[in-house]
Amino acid sequence: QQPVQSPQAVILREGEDAVINCSSSKALYSVHWYRQKHGEAPVFLMILLKGGEQKGHEKISASFNEKKQQSSLYLTASQLSYSGTYFCGTEGFGSGAGSYQLTFGKGTKLSVIP
Amino acid sequence: GAVVSQHPSWVICKSGTSVKIECRSLDFQATTMFWYRQFPKQSLMLMATSNEGSKATYEQGVEKDKFLINHASLTLSTLTVTSAHPEDSSFYICSAPVASGRGTQYFGPGTRLLVL
Repeated sequence: QQPVQSPQAVILREGEDAVINCSSSKALYSVHWYRQKHGEAPVFLMILLKGGEQKGHEKISASFNEKKQQSSLYLTASQLSYSGTYFCGTEGFGSGAGSYQLTFGKGTKLSVIP
Repeated sequence: GAVVSQHPSWVICKSGTSVKIECRSLDFQATTMFWYRQFPKQSLMLMATSNEGSKATYEQGVEKDKFLINHASLTLSTLTVTSAHPEDSSFYICSAPVASGRGTQYFGPGTRLLVL
C-alpha cells in the first residue's frame, strides 16, 4: 500500500524551514527517507524503525510517531543543495521474512531559491 | 555508504531489440536486489525482487517473460528488457539492502533507456 506524502511540492527561500509528511493507514515496520535530484538515483537520508524515534542532525531530521503510521522529515535553515524530490519508502509488516520490500510515496518536490 | 553500480548509464536502442542492464554491489554481498522503474516526475515503482540462487519475484502487472532477471552471483543482478518497445523507455534503478536483516537500501545510479 503506497504511503501518502504531503505536500506535493514546496518552494522555500534559503534559510527557511520545511516539513514533509509521510503517512500510512497501517502500522509500518520502517520508514526510509531518500532525496533524488533530477536525473539521478535516490540518495539515502535515514531510516526509522522505532515508534517515537527521532533521528538525524540539526539541519535534516526525521521522526516516527508512536503508532508507527506517520513519519515527518524536517529541513531547517534550508540550503540550495536541499532542492530535489524527497521520497519516503515504507516497509510494512507481513512482507515475508527477509523481503525488505519498500513502497515509495509519490514524492515531495522541494525547491530552494536564493 | 555502500556502493551499488549500474551499467550502462544510458541506452538508446531500436524497437524490438533486447537490452541488458547490470547491477553490482561493489563492497558488499547482496543476496537480494530490487529493480525499480521510474517514469518522468513519478515515483519509483518496484518491478521485481532479484534473489541469488532462486527465481525472481515479480510485482503484479510486470511481465516476467519481458523483463528477465538473473541474479548470477552475490554481487551481480541483471535485468534484460526483451523486445523493447517505446513504452519501455524509462529510468531503471536497482537497489540492494546492506545488512542481512531489514535495513538501509542503497540505490545504483540508474540506467536511462530510450527505445526508438
